[in-house]
Amino acid sequence: SQQGEEDPQALSIQEGENATMNCSYKTSINNLQWYRQNSGRGLVHLILIRSNEREKHSGRLRVTLDTSKKSSSLLITASRAADTASYFCAANSGGSNYKLTFGKGTLLTVNP
Amino acid sequence: NAGVTQTPKFQVLKTGQSMTLQCAQDMNHNSMYWYRQDPGMGLRLIYYSASEGTTDKGEVPNGYNVSRLNKREFSLRLESAAPSQTSVYFCASRDLNTDTQYFGPGTRLTVL
Repeated sequence: SQQGEEDPQALSIQEGENATMNCSYKTSINNLQWYRQNSGRGLVHLILIRSNEREKHSGRLRVTLDTSKKSSSLLITASRAADTASYFCAANSGGSNYKLTFGKGTLLTVNP
Repeated sequence: NAGVTQTPKFQVLKTGQSMTLQCAQDMNHNSMYWYRQDPGMGLRLIYYSASEGTTDKGEVPNGYNVSRLNKREFSLRLESAAPSQTSVYFCASRDLNTDTQYFGPGTRLTVL
């Protein structure tokens, strides 16, 4: 079963606007990660937020985590056409055998 | 460093044929993973190897076998391919220090 579920499934914005994607997960986590996938390519890690963190920044990316609601959000500020991609959240539930459970992704289209 | 490499990039099989997907990483990571990605389903874990010499089933292991040949290489074998195994297959390895996964470019497999 999918641990993470992204919302919305698809998002279309204009260049320069901000894009917000949400993720919900089902069980307790050790950390939650966001990945980007350009069309036809492998996934690329963007940012990781640990269960004891509430907010994290990396360049134009801002991630929040609300463990009480089992949800996370990814904000991309001042979007660019090059940000067009699918974005996935991935939950790590911890344990000795490290595994990630991925959501179904949000397809972001940034129009020039 | 090449990162995570996968071969082949594309493959077409007939039902019942067998094949092995190859994966190698040059980052000295202990853990390696095989995922499949289907439209609208996100990534699902097939098998993983927490360290050299160990392998474990993931979410969708039926119809697959794996071999952790050495620390660098982790192969996925389809003994008798079925149309339901048409998918894009990704290999990944995990950086223990950062808790993130690095993905290969994927293998696009079609089973007729």
